[in-house]
Amino acid sequence: EAGVTQSPTHLIKTRGQQATLRCSPISGHTSVYWYQQALGLGLQFLLWYDEGEERNRGNFPPRFSGRQFPNYSSELNVNALELEDSALYLCASSLDGNGMNTEAFFGQGTRLTVV
Amino acid sequence: RKEVEQDPGPFNVPEGATVAFNCTYSNSASQSFFWYRQDCRKEPKLLMSVYSSGNEDGRFTAQLNRASQYISLLIRDSKLSDSATYLCVVNIYGNKLVFGAGTILRVKS
Repeated sequence: EAGVTQSPTHLIKTRGQQATLRCSPISGHTSVYWYQQALGLGLQFLLWYDEGEERNRGNFPPRFSGRQFPNYSSELNVNALELEDSALYLCASSLDGNGMNTEAFFGQGTRLTVV
Repeated sequence: RKEVEQDPGPFNVPEGATVAFNCTYSNSASQSFFWYRQDCRKEPKLLMSVYSSGNEDGRFTAQLNRASQYISLLIRDSKLSDSATYLCVVNIYGNKLVFGAGTILRVKS
């Protein structure tokens, strides 16, 4: 069974451009989380989608947005890219939004570089 | 105050040593707790869930103290392969998974 898949694996953009990152959760998982991990730093929570709806967002500006599709895959969009947006963006999925003792499985991430 | 706080380390220990990490969380409504492991430039993977009564998996023991709002991870007989970043994760019911910044462990021969 396929795990969480993210695309692209690497993305290079220039400042001011927009980036779109994609995530396909494990089959049957309805919950998708997005995290940012800047070099040398911990995971920062970005967004949580469950059953097609945004359930929560972290402390990031509105230019970070996303959506979840009917098949539970998800997109993360970052507008007006800034140099400090360069990071590894990790997507995770879990079986349900309640998360009670539910393991979250991560994709291998998209490494975004803004130049 | 951060929702989940960990000592960033690094913890440098010799092979065979016992090492313990603590993690504190601020939201008393937190419902479930996990330890994840992240190897360099890889995605985090679940190490173990943490239950109220404490639980053990081989050389790893996790404990939860709800009154003091902290969880711990004990690693006995450290191996070189245990070198990684250990992430404390808290789930607030119906809310989100919150990750600590991680504790770096380096086991040396």
